[in-house]
Amino acid sequence: GQQLNQSPQSMFIQEGEDVSMNCTSSSIFNTWLWYKQDPGEGPVLLIALYKAGELTSNGRLTAQFGITRKDSFLNISASIPSDVGIYFCAGQPDFGNEKLTFGTGTRLTIIP
Amino acid sequence: EADIYQTPRYLVIGTGKKITLECSQTMGHDKMYWYQQDPGMELHLIHYSYGVNSTEKGDLSSESTVSRIRTEHFPLTLESARPSHTSQYLCASSAGPPADTQYFGPGTRLTVL
Repeated sequence: GQQLNQSPQSMFIQEGEDVSMNCTSSSIFNTWLWYKQDPGEGPVLLIALYKAGELTSNGRLTAQFGITRKDSFLNISASIPSDVGIYFCAGQPDFGNEKLTFGTGTRLTIIP
Repeated sequence: EADIYQTPRYLVIGTGKKITLECSQTMGHDKMYWYQQDPGMELHLIHYSYGVNSTEKGDLSSESTVSRIRTEHFPLTLESARPSHTSQYLCASSAGPPADTQYFGPGTRLTVL
């Protein structure tokens, strides 16, 4: 099946720093989604992207659908303690009945 | 905000017991999914359904079974639980097509002793 490479695998930052993470694929995707998961909880949808080049914000979060349709980026500005968690990207290779493919996650830790 | 519910949230049982994990959604979504996830690890699709009376196995082989008799309800059953079934089970639903934007429930943390 499809494979998504998500990087970095983990990040250790200080409160107030900006964060960048990305997902890349060898195939073209029509949908990119970004989720955040807290320990013991289900993933929560942060941002959905449906068009190449699309740039969408949700508060301090901004995500972009890469123009090649093979990648997506998530940025978090001015990180705060509640940003700690695991961030997953997910892509859908085609509209219709194609299922999502999930990345392996980026674990974000804030150093006091 | 997605309205998808899972019960129980936590379950500790002994080997050999039959269990059913419940998942319900109130959004009228046709597509529903079950994922298995070890703590902090990636999600593995074990079952999905595109509507009533439709169920398919996912990418990860699982000894569990599912049913979809009503649109809003997608329970997962293990006939005889084993310690290897210890994991977090996540249910999700989607209104797609066109896009398969999935919304997740809070998960059931299963521990088999």
